[in-house]
Amino acid sequence: DADVTQTPRNRITKTGKRIMLECSQTKGHDRMYWYRQDPGLGLRLIYYSFDVKDINKGEISDGYSVSRQAQAKFSLSLESAIPNQTALYFCATSDPGLTAYNEQFFGPGTRLTVL
Amino acid sequence: KQEVTQIPAALSVPEGENLVLNCSFTDSAIYNLQWFRQDPGKGLTSLLLIQSSQREQTSGRLNASLDKSSGRSTLYIAASQPGDSATYLCAVTGTASKLTFGTGTRLQVTL
Repeated sequence: DADVTQTPRNRITKTGKRIMLECSQTKGHDRMYWYRQDPGLGLRLIYYSFDVKDINKGEISDGYSVSRQAQAKFSLSLESAIPNQTALYFCATSDPGLTAYNEQFFGPGTRLTVL
Repeated sequence: KQEVTQIPAALSVPEGENLVLNCSFTDSAIYNLQWFRQDPGKGLTSLLLIQSSQREQTSGRLNASLDKSSGRSTLYIAASQPGDSATYLCAVTGTASKLTFGTGTRLQVTL
């Protein structure tokens, strides 16, 4: 069974729609992250959370918001989707208290297309 | 701001060859460096993690080295196989556990 799951795996939506991407983990990790991947640009950090009460902006947070509903769940929302948010989105987890060197573990990704 | 560069962007080799992928980073104040593998349409699989105080890590046919002072890491793949075909990503962990990724090297191993 996958330790980090993302839903949906694929989503096509229209400009202006509100979209939520969900991430769940069974690893028991405290830290969770959202990244987006664009061709030729690598992965970039959107938001990260070190525990349920801690939310931090990453490199490219404009146009996104997040919610940490529980230790195991971290959701990413696009309040009003725009075409340049078309990308592959990854969730990741880590916990320096549980794994060596604070290694990050990634989910399978969500491919989002905004028309 | 940390920047991570991977060279080459793409590489095609015949099966059986040994190969080296390169990664460089601009800020040597890193906590660790990870090499990931990404298959088309799939997530990231962590291959090797090198702590900042270490010089290298090995896993099977893979060997990763780290020279923190010069801002460089290499991933050595021995006796390449078609199943090694994928994109390889390098990422460094800096402050607040944030990963900065390179843009990757797309590897194709041909029969």
